[in-house]
Amino acid sequence: AQKVTQAQTEISVVEKEDVTLDCVYETRDTTYYLFWYKQPPSGELVFLIRRNSFDEQNEISGRYSWNFQKSTSSFNFTITASQVVDSAVYFCALRGSTLGRLYFGRGTQLTVWP
Amino acid sequence: GAGVSQSPRYKVAKRGQDVALRCDPISGHVSLFWYQQALGQGPEFLTYFQNEAQLDKSGLPSDRFFAERPEGSVSTLKIQRTQQEDSAVYLCASRLVAGGPNTGELFFGEGSRLTVL
Repeated sequence: AQKVTQAQTEISVVEKEDVTLDCVYETRDTTYYLFWYKQPPSGELVFLIRRNSFDEQNEISGRYSWNFQKSTSSFNFTITASQVVDSAVYFCALRGSTLGRLYFGRGTQLTVWP
Repeated sequence: GAGVSQSPRYKVAKRGQDVALRCDPISGHVSLFWYQQALGQGPEFLTYFQNEAQLDKSGLPSDRFFAERPEGSVSTLKIQRTQQEDSAVYLCASRLVAGGPNTGELFFGEGSRLTVL
Protein backbone atom coordinates (compact mmCIF):
# COMPACT_ATOMS: atom_id res chain seq x y z
CA ALA A 1 0.00 0.00 0.00
CA GLN A 2 1.10 3.54 -0.69
CA LYS A 3 0.55 6.20 1.93
CA VAL A 4 1.76 9.70 2.64
CA THR A 5 1.37 11.36 6.02
CA GLN A 6 1.69 15.06 6.63
CA ALA A 7 1.13 15.41 10.35
CA GLN A 8 1.16 19.20 10.37
CA THR A 9 -2.23 20.51 9.34
CA GLU A 10 -1.42 24.20 9.75
CA ILE A 11 1.74 26.18 10.39
CA SER A 12 2.00 29.91 10.98
CA VAL A 13 5.28 31.80 10.94
CA VAL A 14 6.39 35.38 10.72
CA GLU A 15 8.21 36.55 7.63
CA LYS A 16 11.94 35.68 7.51
CA GLU A 17 11.54 32.71 9.81
CA ASP A 18 12.65 29.29 8.60
CA VAL A 19 9.97 26.61 8.46
CA THR A 20 10.09 22.84 7.88
CA LEU A 21 7.19 20.85 6.51
CA ASP A 22 7.24 17.17 7.42
CA CYS A 23 6.38 14.26 5.17
CA VAL A 24 6.47 10.56 6.01
CA TYR A 25 5.67 7.93 3.43
CA GLU A 26 4.94 4.21 3.22
CA THR A 27 5.51 2.00 0.21
CA ARG A 28 6.54 -1.55 -0.61
CA ASP A 29 7.95 -0.58 -3.99
CA THR A 30 11.73 -0.60 -4.26
CA THR A 31 11.63 2.12 -6.87
CA TYR A 32 9.48 5.10 -6.14
CA TYR A 33 9.37 8.87 -6.50
CA LEU A 34 8.57 11.59 -4.04
CA PHE A 35 7.17 15.00 -4.87
CA TRP A 36 6.28 18.30 -3.32
CA TYR A 37 3.55 20.49 -4.77
CA LYS A 38 2.41 23.95 -3.78
CA GLN A 39 -1.27 24.90 -4.02
CA PRO A 40 -1.91 28.64 -3.83
CA PRO A 41 -5.45 29.99 -3.37
CA SER A 42 -6.02 29.85 -7.13
CA GLY A 43 -6.14 26.07 -6.77
CA GLU A 44 -3.56 25.00 -9.32
CA LEU A 45 -1.00 22.53 -8.02
CA VAL A 46 2.50 23.78 -8.78
CA PHE A 47 5.30 21.24 -9.00
CA LEU A 48 8.29 21.98 -6.77
CA ILE A 49 10.51 18.90 -6.76
CA ARG A 50 10.75 15.23 -7.60
CA ARG A 51 13.08 12.80 -5.85
CA ASN A 52 13.95 9.26 -6.92
CA SER A 53 14.21 6.55 -4.27
CA PHE A 54 17.73 5.66 -5.29
CA ASP A 55 19.04 9.20 -4.90
CA GLU A 56 19.27 10.33 -1.30
CA GLN A 57 21.22 13.46 -1.99
CA ASN A 58 19.61 16.46 -0.42
CA GLU A 59 18.74 19.31 -2.70
CA ILE A 60 18.70 23.06 -2.41
CA SER A 61 16.98 25.44 -4.76
CA GLY A 62 17.17 29.04 -3.66
CA ARG A 63 15.30 29.34 -0.36
CA TYR A 64 13.94 25.81 -0.68
CA SER A 65 15.68 22.66 0.48
CA TRP A 66 14.65 19.05 0.79
CA ASN A 67 15.91 16.36 3.14
CA PHE A 68 15.27 12.80 1.93
CA GLN A 69 16.01 10.02 4.43
CA LYS A 70 15.10 6.47 3.43
CA SER A 71 15.99 5.16 6.89
CA THR A 72 13.09 7.10 8.38
CA SER A 73 10.91 7.18 5.23
CA SER A 74 10.83 10.94 5.36
CA PHE A 75 11.05 13.67 2.78
CA ASN A 76 10.97 16.99 4.59
CA PHE A 77 10.81 20.41 2.99
CA THR A 78 12.42 23.53 4.46
CA ILE A 79 11.78 27.11 3.42
CA THR A 80 14.48 29.48 4.58
CA ALA A 81 13.69 33.12 5.26
CA SER A 82 10.01 32.64 4.52
CA GLN A 83 8.04 35.28 2.64
CA VAL A 84 4.36 36.17 2.54
CA VAL A 85 4.17 34.77 -1.00
CA ASP A 86 5.07 31.36 0.39
CA SER A 87 1.63 31.17 2.00
CA ALA A 88 -0.15 28.20 0.43
CA VAL A 89 -1.05 24.59 1.01
CA TYR A 90 1.89 22.26 0.43
CA PHE A 91 1.39 18.65 -0.56
CA CYS A 92 3.82 15.79 -0.40
CA ALA A 93 3.12 12.97 -2.85
CA LEU A 94 4.40 9.50 -3.65
CA ARG A 95 4.46 7.64 -6.92
CA GLY A 96 5.30 3.96 -7.05
CA SER A 97 5.45 1.71 -10.02
CA THR A 98 1.77 1.73 -10.93
CA LEU A 99 1.21 3.75 -14.07
CA GLY A 100 2.20 7.02 -12.52
CA ARG A 101 -0.69 7.78 -10.20
CA LEU A 102 0.28 10.00 -7.30
CA TYR A 103 -0.70 9.43 -3.68
CA PHE A 104 -1.01 12.73 -1.86
CA GLY A 105 -0.83 13.60 1.79
CA ARG A 106 -3.53 15.77 3.33
CA GLY A 107 -1.43 18.87 2.93
CA THR A 108 0.01 21.49 5.27
CA GLN A 109 -1.45 24.99 5.23
CA LEU A 110 1.44 27.42 5.62
CA THR A 111 0.66 31.01 6.55
CA VAL A 112 3.45 33.54 6.57
CA TRP A 113 2.60 36.79 8.34
CA PRO A 114 4.28 40.06 7.46
CA GLY B 1 -2.84 27.12 -24.48
CA ALA B 2 0.28 26.94 -22.38
CA GLY B 3 -1.22 25.05 -19.47
CA VAL B 4 -3.93 22.58 -18.57
CA SER B 5 -7.30 24.22 -18.97
CA GLN B 6 -10.44 23.11 -17.16
CA SER B 7 -14.04 24.22 -17.52
CA PRO B 8 -16.24 25.21 -15.96
CA ARG B 9 -14.25 26.62 -13.06
CA TYR B 10 -17.35 26.56 -10.87
CA LYS B 11 -20.46 24.44 -11.16
CA VAL B 12 -23.49 24.36 -8.92
CA ALA B 13 -25.82 21.44 -9.43
CA LYS B 14 -29.00 20.28 -7.77
CA ARG B 15 -28.90 16.82 -6.36
CA GLY B 16 -29.79 14.34 -9.07
CA GLN B 17 -28.53 16.44 -11.98
CA ASP B 18 -25.88 15.24 -14.38
CA VAL B 19 -22.70 17.28 -14.82
CA ALA B 20 -19.85 17.24 -17.31
CA LEU B 21 -16.41 18.64 -16.59
CA ARG B 22 -13.95 19.32 -19.37
CA CYS B 23 -10.16 19.15 -19.43
CA ASP B 24 -7.90 20.46 -22.16
CA PRO B 25 -4.43 19.06 -21.48
CA ILE B 26 -1.21 20.55 -22.68
CA SER B 27 -0.89 19.89 -26.39
CA GLY B 28 0.93 16.67 -27.14
CA HIS B 29 0.73 15.28 -23.62
CA VAL B 30 0.13 11.56 -23.69
CA SER B 31 -0.97 10.98 -20.11
CA LEU B 32 -4.02 12.50 -18.50
CA PHE B 33 -5.22 12.10 -14.93
CA TRP B 34 -8.34 13.10 -13.03
CA TYR B 35 -8.20 13.71 -9.30
CA GLN B 36 -10.89 14.60 -6.78
CA GLN B 37 -10.02 16.97 -3.95
CA ALA B 38 -12.46 17.31 -1.09
CA LEU B 39 -12.29 20.35 1.15
CA GLY B 40 -9.23 20.23 3.40
CA GLN B 41 -7.94 17.03 1.84
CA GLY B 42 -5.27 16.03 -0.61
CA PRO B 43 -6.18 15.08 -4.16
CA GLU B 44 -7.43 11.53 -4.62
CA PHE B 45 -6.84 9.65 -7.85
CA LEU B 46 -9.87 8.93 -10.01
CA THR B 47 -8.69 7.71 -13.39
CA TYR B 48 -5.83 7.70 -15.88
CA PHE B 49 -5.65 7.83 -19.68
CA GLN B 50 -2.78 7.08 -21.96
CA ASN B 51 -3.81 8.70 -25.22
CA GLU B 52 -7.42 7.56 -25.70
CA ALA B 53 -7.07 4.40 -23.63
CA GLN B 54 -8.36 4.45 -20.09
CA LEU B 55 -5.76 2.33 -18.37
CA ASP B 56 -6.82 2.77 -14.77
CA LYS B 57 -10.23 3.69 -13.46
CA SER B 58 -9.86 2.11 -10.06
CA GLY B 59 -10.34 5.42 -8.26
CA LEU B 60 -13.80 6.20 -9.62
CA PRO B 61 -16.03 6.10 -6.54
CA SER B 62 -19.12 4.67 -8.21
CA ASP B 63 -20.63 3.79 -11.55
CA ARG B 64 -22.15 7.28 -11.60
CA PHE B 65 -18.69 8.53 -12.56
CA PHE B 66 -17.57 8.16 -16.14
CA ALA B 67 -14.57 9.60 -17.99
CA GLU B 68 -13.60 9.60 -21.61
CA ARG B 69 -10.89 10.89 -23.90
CA PRO B 70 -12.07 9.76 -27.32
CA GLU B 71 -9.41 11.39 -29.48
CA GLY B 72 -6.54 11.29 -27.03
CA SER B 73 -6.61 14.98 -26.22
CA VAL B 74 -9.61 16.62 -24.52
CA SER B 75 -11.15 14.63 -21.70
CA THR B 76 -14.56 14.82 -20.07
CA LEU B 77 -15.49 13.64 -16.61
CA LYS B 78 -19.20 13.00 -16.28
CA ILE B 79 -21.05 12.54 -13.04
CA GLN B 80 -24.59 11.23 -13.24
CA ARG B 81 -27.30 11.80 -10.65
CA THR B 82 -25.03 13.97 -8.52
CA GLN B 83 -25.13 13.65 -4.76
CA GLN B 84 -23.95 16.00 -2.05
CA GLU B 85 -20.87 13.91 -1.34
CA ASP B 86 -19.73 14.58 -4.90
CA SER B 87 -19.04 18.21 -3.93
CA ALA B 88 -15.31 18.70 -4.43
CA VAL B 89 -12.72 20.22 -6.71
CA TYR B 90 -11.98 18.03 -9.70
CA LEU B 91 -8.42 18.40 -10.90
CA CYS B 92 -7.09 17.38 -14.26
CA ALA B 93 -3.39 16.83 -14.88
CA SER B 94 -1.35 15.91 -17.93
CA ARG B 95 2.13 14.63 -18.57
CA LEU B 96 4.20 14.51 -21.72
CA VAL B 97 5.10 10.84 -21.73
CA ALA B 98 3.54 7.66 -20.48
CA GLY B 99 5.87 5.97 -18.05
CA GLY B 100 9.36 5.03 -17.01
CA PRO B 101 11.81 6.72 -14.69
CA ASN B 102 12.00 10.01 -16.55
CA THR B 103 8.39 10.56 -17.23
CA GLY B 104 8.47 14.24 -16.53
CA GLU B 105 6.16 16.07 -14.26
CA LEU B 106 2.43 16.27 -13.90
CA PHE B 107 0.99 19.65 -14.80
CA PHE B 108 -2.28 20.43 -13.09
CA GLY B 109 -5.15 22.63 -14.11
CA GLU B 110 -6.87 24.99 -11.69
CA GLY B 111 -9.71 22.57 -11.19
CA SER B 112 -13.49 22.59 -11.48
CA ARG B 113 -15.24 23.25 -8.19
CA LEU B 114 -18.49 21.31 -8.02
CA THR B 115 -21.09 22.12 -5.40
CA VAL B 116 -24.11 19.86 -5.17
CA LEU B 117 -27.07 21.33 -3.31
